[in-house]
Amino acid sequence: QQPVQSPQAVILREGEDAVINCSSSKALYSVHWYRQKHGEAPVFLMILLKGGEQKGHDKISASFNEKKQQSSLYLTASQLSYSGTYFCGTETGGYQKVTFGTGTKLQVIP
Amino acid sequence: EAGVAQSPRYKIIEKRQSVAFWCNPISGHATLYWYQQILGQGPKLLIQFQNNGVVDDSQLPKDRFSAERLKGVDSTLKIQPAKLEDSAVYLCASSLGTDTQYFGPGTRLTVL
Repeated sequence: QQPVQSPQAVILREGEDAVINCSSSKALYSVHWYRQKHGEAPVFLMILLKGGEQKGHDKISASFNEKKQQSSLYLTASQLSYSGTYFCGTETGGYQKVTFGTGTKLQVIP
Repeated sequence: EAGVAQSPRYKIIEKRQSVAFWCNPISGHATLYWYQQILGQGPKLLIQFQNNGVVDDSQLPKDRFSAERLKGVDSTLKIQPAKLEDSAVYLCASSLGTDTQYFGPGTRLTVL
């Protein structure tokens, strides 16, 4: 079952904040976050394991609510380089099989 | 450290023709994935290998798609015969078997 992301698209001005949500209908083992720029391959941002942890580096962080089967990605003080499509990937079992979400297209404008 | 290599980068074929894609994962990575990414959508897993064994191929259209990973290193994905709806970017990724998947640049396939 593909996880659902919201919003589908968002436009920000430089310096603004954004939140991208990822919801699953199944119990989650882990959540992965990737960013993909146009015409390029997805690039890993971070992974969160079950246990309700929160992670972050620089101005991008994420939380994982195991009970709600949801994860959120937080981008603060956005930069032009943050533009791209963000995908969450959910792992519901073993073997590192990740199912990618519907994607959120983020555009940061000056 | 060299990344995941894929070739060709672009391929244009006519429907009913055959095509093959090649992937060389990061050295030492036991897990290799093939994804299909249709324009505007997220990557969809086609097949996952652990060394040279198949872990998951539940979404691989086995009547026309095949993949192998001989010797547990590089891998090939074949489509025979191709259909119009196979037009997509085919991404190969590898991982050490734990968390992060490293993606290759992909092969953009156009079926006319």
